[in-house]
Amino acid sequence: GNSVTQMEGPVTLSEEAFLTINCTYTATGYPSLFWYVQYPGEGLQLLLKATKADDKGSNKGFEATYRKETTSFHLEKGSVQVSDSAVYFCALSHQAGTALIFGKGTTLSVSS
Amino acid sequence: EAQVTQNPRYLITVTGKKLTVTCSQNMNHEYMSWYRQDPGLGLRQIYYSMNVEVTDKGDVPEGYKVSRKEKRNFPLILESPSPNQTSLYFCASGPTAPSNYGYTFGSGTRLTVV
Repeated sequence: GNSVTQMEGPVTLSEEAFLTINCTYTATGYPSLFWYVQYPGEGLQLLLKATKADDKGSNKGFEATYRKETTSFHLEKGSVQVSDSAVYFCALSHQAGTALIFGKGTTLSVSS
Repeated sequence: EAQVTQNPRYLITVTGKKLTVTCSQNMNHEYMSWYRQDPGLGLRQIYYSMNVEVTDKGDVPEGYKVSRKEKRNFPLILESPSPNQTSLYFCASGPTAPSNYGYTFGSGTRLTVV
């Protein structure tokens, strides 16, 4: 079946460090891929998305590229800020289903 | 402002006491859905609705009911809550499903059943 696997957290970084959060997926066909962010005490917000192979989604300095050959959608940011501290979820939407399939989430903590 | 509104944000209840969590969206979306979020498990879909009067089970529907009498509202009903339903619940909506644009999520309802 369809699934999403994210790197285990928590990830702890200093301000201005480089961030990578790994995400791989299993799905038939061509799913759409998403990164959602959940700030403390809040709901999920769509951070970025990509709908086809080699697409790059970007927002707020974050980027992720849809790699079909490696079934990956890794999240990167060149210089994190304390305000980026949150839980990040990788998710996919498959043509055959209605649900977003989520990874388990990765907690990012950035210190100054 | 386009949004999904859930109420209440926090709820503590006792086992067996019926409760309803409300969800309303102002974007004229056809698709609505409920998820629960549990540590180490991520988010899992409970129920969804493709349109008014059209609902179906998600991955973890046991112990829950839903209704979709109006396009904007999609309440989640726990007729006899149990402690294993203690969780963080999210309502989501989208113009259609599946979606290449993702869904809009509410701020969440933290439910504790004692």
